[in-house]
Amino acid sequence: QKEVEQNSGPLSVPEGAIASLNCTYSDRVSQSFFWYRQYSGKSPELIMSIYSNGDKEDGRFTAQLNKASQYVSLLIRDSQPSDSATYLCAVNRGNQGGKLIFGQGTELSVKP
Amino acid sequence: GAGVSQSPSNKVTEKGKDVELRCDPISGHTALYWYRQSLGQGLEFLIYFQGNSAPDKSGLPSDRFSAERTGGSVSTLTIQRTQQEDSAVYLCASSLWDNEQFFGPGTRLTVL
Repeated sequence: QKEVEQNSGPLSVPEGAIASLNCTYSDRVSQSFFWYRQYSGKSPELIMSIYSNGDKEDGRFTAQLNKASQYVSLLIRDSQPSDSATYLCAVNRGNQGGKLIFGQGTELSVKP
Repeated sequence: GAGVSQSPSNKVTEKGKDVELRCDPISGHTALYWYRQSLGQGLEFLIYFQGNSAPDKSGLPSDRFSAERTGGSVSTLTIQRTQQEDSAVYLCASSLWDNEQFFGPGTRLTVL
């Protein structure tokens, strides 16, 4: 079992719809959770961080964390073609400095 | 302010040669990380610095890989006797203590 798992996709949604990206992690001691967006040929860009159970909203993005279920998700409302990218889930265990464990990423395609 | 910078952006080398990759973190960031990203392997952790110390080197794939950080700032990743399997994008990130990490543009290494 991989430490951080994501569906590879591609996930295809129409413009204006809600895109839902999911991530599960195996280590219960994980403390911090991050979502990165990566456009093709570019480096990862941090878009959300979440540290406690519940929802965290930032503009069109909402991150949701459920530590009991070891599950973190990212919702993108009013999806735009410019949101088309690979979304990486990353987890920090909290006992190894800031080392991040990444999932394989979910490719999102937003169709006009 | 300026983000993380890396040089060179691209490096082509012959098998068996040594290469040095440089990372200049965001000013004031105490933590610095090296990751690499290759097709099929996702984004994998290599080494973590807090100040000039490297408390976690667990991701370095072999003793051909080494890294140092000086003055709590610039870091150099050195790969000796490069092999074709070393071909990847090498990414550097920095953070204030062990919090959110911000990535540089990466160095694409190709070993012929």
